[in-house]
Amino acid sequence: GQQLNQSPQSMFIQEGEDVSMNCTSSSIFNTWLWYKQEPGEGPVLLIALYKAGELTSNGRLTAQFGITRKDSFLNISASIPSDVGIYFCAGTGYSGSARQLTFGSGTQLTVLP
Amino acid sequence: DAGVIQSPRHEVTEMGQEVTLRCKPISGHNSLFWYRQTMMRGLELLIYFNNNVPIDDSGMPEDRFSAKMPNASFSTLKIQPSEPRDSAVYFCASSLGGALGNTIYFGEGSWLTVV
Repeated sequence: GQQLNQSPQSMFIQEGEDVSMNCTSSSIFNTWLWYKQEPGEGPVLLIALYKAGELTSNGRLTAQFGITRKDSFLNISASIPSDVGIYFCAGTGYSGSARQLTFGSGTQLTVLP
Repeated sequence: DAGVIQSPRHEVTEMGQEVTLRCKPISGHNSLFWYRQTMMRGLELLIYFNNNVPIDDSGMPEDRFSAKMPNASFSTLKIQPSEPRDSAVYFCASSLGGALGNTIYFGEGSWLTVV
C-alpha cells in the first residue's frame, strides 16, 4: 500500500520564524492535501494541490506539489501563536479515490512567544 | 456554509453499552467517510459511503462496529457492545464526487471514552 513519511514529527519555534514541513510518498500521488488540527477539533483543510509543480498559497501558508509527484511541502511564514497545532499531509494515487486517501503521521508545531 | 456536523461531541460510557455516533455531511456531498483517530494509529478509515451505499468497509475493526446511511444527509456509526479499546476520536467527513472528490472535509469529531 501507499506509505507517507511526514517530517519533522515535532517543531518548537519562536514566534516570527518561518516553518517548513514535508511529506514523501512511496508511490506517485495525484492529489496532495494539507490539514491542520487544533486540540479538541477535527482536521481543517488548509490547501489542496492537484497538479505536479503546483504552488498554492493561503495567507501565510504556501504548499507545493512536487514535480516527481512523490512529495509535497508546506511552509508557514512569520509564525504566530495561533499556528500551534498538528499539521497533516494527505494524498491519494491515480485511483483518484478519496477512500484511498493516505495520511501522514502529523507534525506537531509549537510556537513560543 | 454549515460544515460536517457530528454528535455527540463527547461521550463517556461503560464497557458493554451501545454507542451511536451521528453525522450530517455537507449538503450536496455524495461521499461520506468515518475515521477513527488514536495516538498509536493516527487517522484510520473505517468505512466509506458513496451515494448512501457502503462501498468499502474493510477498515471496520470487527462485527461490533456497524454503520448506516439511510439518506444523503444522515449517517450513524454504532458500536455494540463497546470496549475500552474503542476509546478514540471518531470523525465523520464528506466530499463531492468528480474531480474534487479527493478533497474531504472533516467534522469536529466525537470523543468517545469507554470505561
